[in-house]
Amino acid sequence: DARVTQTPRHKVTEMGQEVTMRCQPILGHNTVFWYRQTMMQGLELLAYFRNRAPLDDSGMPKDRFSAEMPDATLATLKIQPSEPRDSAVYFCASGLAAGGTGNTIYFGEGSWLTVV
Amino acid sequence: GQNIDQPTEMTATEGAIVQINCTYQTSGFNGLFWYQQHAGEAPTFLSYNVLDGLEEKGRFSSFLSRSKGYSYLLLKELQMKDSASYLCAVSYSGYSTLTFGKGTMLLVSP
Repeated sequence: DARVTQTPRHKVTEMGQEVTMRCQPILGHNTVFWYRQTMMQGLELLAYFRNRAPLDDSGMPKDRFSAEMPDATLATLKIQPSEPRDSAVYFCASGLAAGGTGNTIYFGEGSWLTVV
Repeated sequence: GQNIDQPTEMTATEGAIVQINCTYQTSGFNGLFWYQQHAGEAPTFLSYNVLDGLEEKGRFSSFLSRSKGYSYLLLKELQMKDSASYLCAVSYSGYSTLTFGKGTMLLVSP
């Protein structure tokens, strides 16, 4: 049963601390996305990679957020230092970017972050 | 911008039919997706439309009018388990990403 795996599922941290979220995309998918979901803004794209190369991170506050893909099976999203306004659900998703229905993306279960 | 608009919430009764509308910017349109998201869970893929018309998949159908920048998701024979948020998402040419609407929270009551 192929699926996107994210860790941690839940994280509560104090303001100023570093937070690292990890994602294992579906095997064979060449495109990986990081989305953030809040009640106010809905799902917002933070960054995405194709074949491990970053293609767009314009949705990410670059002074504190960073996204990397050290290998094809691991993507990371780091927040340093974290702030209360970063509290949200962070979803990783992967896909084939094959056009048409091949643009379907598949989401992980999300990392629920609370910064106090 | 690529505003995608859908109602914030809807209510319906078990066994009924409900239609969730979505409008989007047409420039560069390259496909429309519907996702379902239960509370506390990940969005899951429901349907895809790229040509005008109705795509039927069991109790769920999705319609697209490209000229009007309009889609709807039709849910028939509603069940309590259909209570969820329904997200409209659009793929635009030149982008591998999907742009999502804020979702429509559907509450199905007995």
